[in-house]
Amino acid sequence: AQSVTQLDSHVSVSEGTPVLLRCNYSSSYSPSLFWYVQHPNKGLQLLLKYTSAATLVKGINGFEAEFKKSETSFHLTKPSAHMSDAAEYFCVVSDRGGNTPLVFGKGTRLSVIA
Amino acid sequence: DAGVIQSPRHEVTEMGQEVTLRCKPISGHNSLFWYRQTMMRGLELLIYFNNNVPIDDSGMPEDRFSAKMPNASFSTLKIQPSEPRDSAVYFCASSEMQGAGYGYTFGSGTRLTVV
Repeated sequence: AQSVTQLDSHVSVSEGTPVLLRCNYSSSYSPSLFWYVQHPNKGLQLLLKYTSAATLVKGINGFEAEFKKSETSFHLTKPSAHMSDAAEYFCVVSDRGGNTPLVFGKGTRLSVIA
Repeated sequence: DAGVIQSPRHEVTEMGQEVTLRCKPISGHNSLFWYRQTMMRGLELLIYFNNNVPIDDSGMPEDRFSAKMPNASFSTLKIQPSEPRDSAVYFCASSEMQGAGYGYTFGSGTRLTVV
């Protein structure tokens, strides 16, 4: 069975400072991992995904995430936060070899302070 | 591509009424998912289809909920009769394949309010 744990329900950063959103996963198979972003009153948008290639994955809007198998982690980072980054972020795991749907974390709300 | 299209964007209805939510997936996508999002429960998977066939509806909360996918380009989620606790944002998503490294493309959602 797969699961994902987002370690912080809310993260607050100042504009221009680094962002770190933490995610740990559990998967019986080689996982695929995703980060989605949801801005207020909007749908979910794919930010980036890891499938099996490079462990450091670059996404849209300057975000990136690193797959660390030894730590079962897939943390999302950005060097410098922008006001427009304020949103809900979801870490997602998929059993790459199987036939089960994506499993979503409970989300981390990112606030950016001017 | 227009993406996943959901209608209506907002729906306000009275308790006891029937509600039908609609979804048009991305052309060529074989899998379709219905989710419900609330503050209390977060994002919940209700049901998903592969090649128009329902695969798992264990997330459907009650018999009042039903979903159909009569063809590859259309799906509905029906609630009959609706209750105030059904108030939520309902998302439809589609994928080339379920899981297996393919991400989902989400629609903009339908915000349902049952009064």
